[in-house]
Amino acid sequence: EVHLVESGGGLVQSGGSLRLSCAASGFSFSDYSMSWVRQAPGKGLEWVSYISSGGGTIYYADSVKGRFTISRDNAKKSVKLQMNSLRDEDTAVYYCVREGGMDGWGQGTTVTVSS
Amino acid sequence: QAVLTQPSSLSASPGASASVTCTLRSGINVATYKIYWYQQKPGSPPQYLLRYKSDSDKHQGSGVPSRFSGSKDASANAGVLLISGVQSADEADYYCMIWHSNAVAFGGGTKVTVL
Repeated sequence: EVHLVESGGGLVQSGGSLRLSCAASGFSFSDYSMSWVRQAPGKGLEWVSYISSGGGTIYYADSVKGRFTISRDNAKKSVKLQMNSLRDEDTAVYYCVREGGMDGWGQGTTVTVSS
Repeated sequence: QAVLTQPSSLSASPGASASVTCTLRSGINVATYKIYWYQQKPGSPPQYLLRYKSDSDKHQGSGVPSRFSGSKDASANAGVLLISGVQSADEADYYCMIWHSNAVAFGGGTKVTVL
């Protein structure tokens, strides 16, 4: 069973940084691409970033390009999202998601950016 | 104009069928895309339902009832999620998704109410 656990969320001031982590288990992590998807309070889903199984292909949403960095460690079965220059509009629940088809989701971690 | 457009809400009676449409922006041909569907209930992360490109290229999520199925309406340039025999447990938000130009696009979500 796919099990994804996010951590690292919290309250941060505008302009600050946070690093989100996602620990994976229940599947062969190194065989799967991973993504981060966020959901602002009361809003819909917004894709943030994607990393291929080997880490060689990375994509970002325009809204976070140049501020966020995705990375992964296949030996540790983890994926991270470094978020810099945070803005109020980055406030959201951030989900770690398996595969390009997004067939497995974590419970999410909440990021609140206050000005 | 958004890449994917969904109706904000729809209602269905128990036992009836409900169709959630996902219209692709003009210039993006639905025939060439795999359309993914997700269900989200309040307070929970989204869950993968299914993927549909054609009758010969489709995938049902693990444990997802066959009452949920996908199709396309080429004349409307839209993907369709059909829920047959609607149950009260199907009351949720439904999102469509495609990969387009090395990025993920989500529809705005459709709130399905079972009356």
